[in-house]
Amino acid sequence: EVQVVDSGGGLVQPGGSLRLSCTTSGFTFSDYAVTWVRQAPGKGLEWVGFIRDRTYGRTTEFAASVKGRFSISRDDSRGFALMQMNSLTTEDTGVYYCARSRTRPGEKYYFDSWGQGTLVTVSS
Amino acid sequence: DIQMTQFPSTLSASVGDTVTITCRASQSVGYLLAWYQHIPGNAPKLLIYGASILDGGVPSRFSGSGSETDFTLTISGLQPSDSATYYCQHYSSYPETFGPGTKVEI
Repeated sequence: EVQVVDSGGGLVQPGGSLRLSCTTSGFTFSDYAVTWVRQAPGKGLEWVGFIRDRTYGRTTEFAASVKGRFSISRDDSRGFALMQMNSLTTEDTGVYYCARSRTRPGEKYYFDSWGQGTLVTVSS
Repeated sequence: DIQMTQFPSTLSASVGDTVTITCRASQSVGYLLAWYQHIPGNAPKLLIYGASILDGGVPSRFSGSGSETDFTLTISGLQPSDSATYYCQHYSSYPETFGPGTKVEI
């Protein structure tokens, strides 16, 4: 059974940092990209960024709102990904989801298995 | 960035009804459109990708259609478990934006 578990959220002051984890099991992690999506309170889903799988060089892409502040890494041997979030602002408050991401040749990624979400609160 | 719109924003229906949600992209995304179901407190769930391809295990009462800029998600024979917010998402370019969501109340 495919399992995706996101964790690491919490309360952090503006300007602070936090690291989220995405732990997986039940599939060959190295064959898939991992995407982070967030949901601010009362708002819809927002694509944050992702890391490609080994076939595509484990490279990353980010939304303009987090570029330069967030980074994503992965450990294929242990089946998890990490998102490092720096210089956090109140605008970064929300539930963060990681998702296993699929693609087909010539296409970008859609998300077929999601975690339950981890809450990040940026407040003084 | 490609902007996604959805309507209606909220929909009330009864068990057994057939409902349709519309998603519109600000420019062509081809067939690179996915639909997700999100029940608060749960993980979002992929329903459809490639505009019309049902993901594994998704009930056949869900169907998708459309291409380019206009897409629809249809739920036939609505069930109580279908109460959720439904989001479309394009994956034709970065950033991969979502629609604002349609809340389905039963």
